[in-house]
Amino acid sequence: SQTIHQWPATLVQPVGSPLSLECTVEGTSNPNLYWYRQAAGRGLQLLFYSVGIGQISSEVPQNLSASRPQDRQFILSSKKLLLSDSGFYLCAWSPRGLGNQPQHFGDGTRLSIL
Amino acid sequence: KNEVEQSPQNLTAQEGEFITINCSYSVGISALHWLQQHPGGGIVSLFMLSSGKKKHGRLIATINIQEKHSSLHITASHPRDSAVYICAVNFRASGTYKYIFGTGTRLKVLA
Repeated sequence: SQTIHQWPATLVQPVGSPLSLECTVEGTSNPNLYWYRQAAGRGLQLLFYSVGIGQISSEVPQNLSASRPQDRQFILSSKKLLLSDSGFYLCAWSPRGLGNQPQHFGDGTRLSIL
Repeated sequence: KNEVEQSPQNLTAQEGEFITINCSYSVGISALHWLQQHPGGGIVSLFMLSSGKKKHGRLIATINIQEKHSSLHITASHPRDSAVYICAVNFRASGTYKYIFGTGTRLKVLA
């Protein structure tokens, strides 16, 4: 069966520090991968998605970047965190090319910027 | 106006009550997904549907594509149903399928 792992679960970082959140998927190949952010009291917002290694699409301009160095690995990064980067970050995957397939979510990372 | 609207935003019910959460959307979709988010933040998939009705245990989801509306019903609610329920619409754009999420309905069921 397929599983998605996301870490760390919680992170407290000072303003201006770098960030790296990692997400890996097991039990499937060529997944579509997604990074979402949920700000306090707000809905989930798509940040990045990827349909293949090295292929990253950004949905909103921001201080973050994403990379997909391997088929089942998706990384969310920042060189210098801002206070506004605080929030709950979720990684998700869905099967490639099968249309109406549900996305499956990781457990999320709660990021607090001080 | 958000493309996906949920109502109510907050809901408090007594144990055993029948609960309805509504989701309306304004875009053309290929499917709609109901999700449950627990206090820790983890998200569980409940239903994905593109027509009609689905039932799983005490949960029932319906969708009316013509009216662009879906409902999630919980029968005989229980305190363990307390969570945020999120509606997400799945649509095709730029060669892939994407979700737009509602802001969620926070449900609290009292014993």
